[in-house]
Amino acid sequence: EPEVTQTPSHQVTQMGQEVILRCVPISNHLYFYWYRQILGQKVEFLVSFYNNEISEKSEIFDDQFSVERPDGSNFTLKIRSTKLEDSAMYFCASRGTRGQETQYFGPGTRLLVL
Amino acid sequence: AQSVTQLDSHVSVSEGTPVLLRCNYSSSYSPSLFWYVQHPNKGLQLLLKYTSAATLVKGINGFEAEFKKSETSFHLTKPSAHMSDAAEYFCASEYGNKLVFGAGTILRVKS
Repeated sequence: EPEVTQTPSHQVTQMGQEVILRCVPISNHLYFYWYRQILGQKVEFLVSFYNNEISEKSEIFDDQFSVERPDGSNFTLKIRSTKLEDSAMYFCASRGTRGQETQYFGPGTRLLVL
Repeated sequence: AQSVTQLDSHVSVSEGTPVLLRCNYSSSYSPSLFWYVQHPNKGLQLLLKYTSAATLVKGINGFEAEFKKSETSFHLTKPSAHMSDAAEYFCASEYGNKLVFGAGTILRVKS
């Protein structure tokens, strides 16, 4: 069964450094998402991406965040200058066509900012 | 704004007894609703979804959920808990193009 994959599984970085989280969505999917889950808190929507552009973003997704689909398979989340409060589990998800409601999630990247 | 409330942060059951995890949603219409499960250090796995078809939805691993519009609820049930069901369960509602999640319920299964 096809699945969403994410790399790395864990990343530790120093405050102020840039990080790039990578995702490979399910191959025929068209909608891509990033969510995050701060330890002990709800899973929160960050951004959705369709047709090579952001379709919706949350208040959390400020100028330090960016997303990109650099080729036909990868979908990346970049955090330009990490803060302590960016420490969280970051989940990538993908969905097929408009009529397919289910978002399939990857295993997540646990980011720790020191 | 749409919201999802999971009424219990922790539920503890004995192996072989029924499981009930409660979820209420707030919406002016009947949304698509989902239950996901997260095992320790794993991602979110879809258990089941409601998308305005049958109100009783069957999912994987013997779980099912019933959509009740009058109660704005979508509670998750399983007749007989197994040790492997111990995990965190998230109820979610689709709002526009994104999912809105509840806070999660940690299910503990005692032997």
